[in-house]
Amino acid sequence: NAGVTQTPKFQVLKTGQSMTLQCAQDMNHEYMSWYRQDPGMGLRLIHYSVGAGITDQGEVPNGYNVSRSTTEDFPLRLLSAAPSQTSVYFCASRARQGAVGGYTFGSGTRLTVV
Amino acid sequence: GEDVEQSLFLSVREGDSSVINCTYTDSSSTYLYWYKQEPGAGLQLLTYIFSNMDMKQDQRLTVLLNKKDKHLSLRIADTQTGDSAIYFCAESIGNRDDKIIFGKGTRLHILP
Repeated sequence: NAGVTQTPKFQVLKTGQSMTLQCAQDMNHEYMSWYRQDPGMGLRLIHYSVGAGITDQGEVPNGYNVSRSTTEDFPLRLLSAAPSQTSVYFCASRARQGAVGGYTFGSGTRLTVV
Repeated sequence: GEDVEQSLFLSVREGDSSVINCTYTDSSSTYLYWYKQEPGAGLQLLTYIFSNMDMKQDQRLTVLLNKKDKHLSLRIADTQTGDSAIYFCAESIGNRDDKIIFGKGTRLHILP
């Protein structure tokens, strides 16, 4: 089925560990973004990309890295996990500038850092 | 900086109309969106409106845009129990509309 696939769905990390949240889309969308959702805070943009090889920072980029080597994949790396990074992470994609419609979202990764 | 504001809670009786309001700051936004999030799920695009439109209607949903006041609203007619969810207002920003900024979400609670 076409859409945005995120893995894993759930993850528990110890403080200081690193990991990569995977995101893949099969809709040939140029734009991809990572958001985190925390209670009472809504969705905050972490990093985004407008195409392969191009990434930029969002509202809350510290502690996270991204890369976009292909159109399909946009992994999010946590370099050294901290309890403040406990959150639900959503990946989203959309077609290029000028195309109608908003982002298509994945089902999320619930991350707990202990 | 860019900001999107919306009230956090709304309670409505089943069958009544729900009106969820939002204000935004970026006057150059090309698109404004309403998303719906059901418990444990990702966000689902409900509807969007171009910034040069005043109103858009789609079945039970009516979106009103007051560009002068930077105010966006979503009206849900004949509210049903299945409409219980969190509704997010969002705006596209940047020269290429490459970023979408979300409000904190309005939790809609349906009273029997």
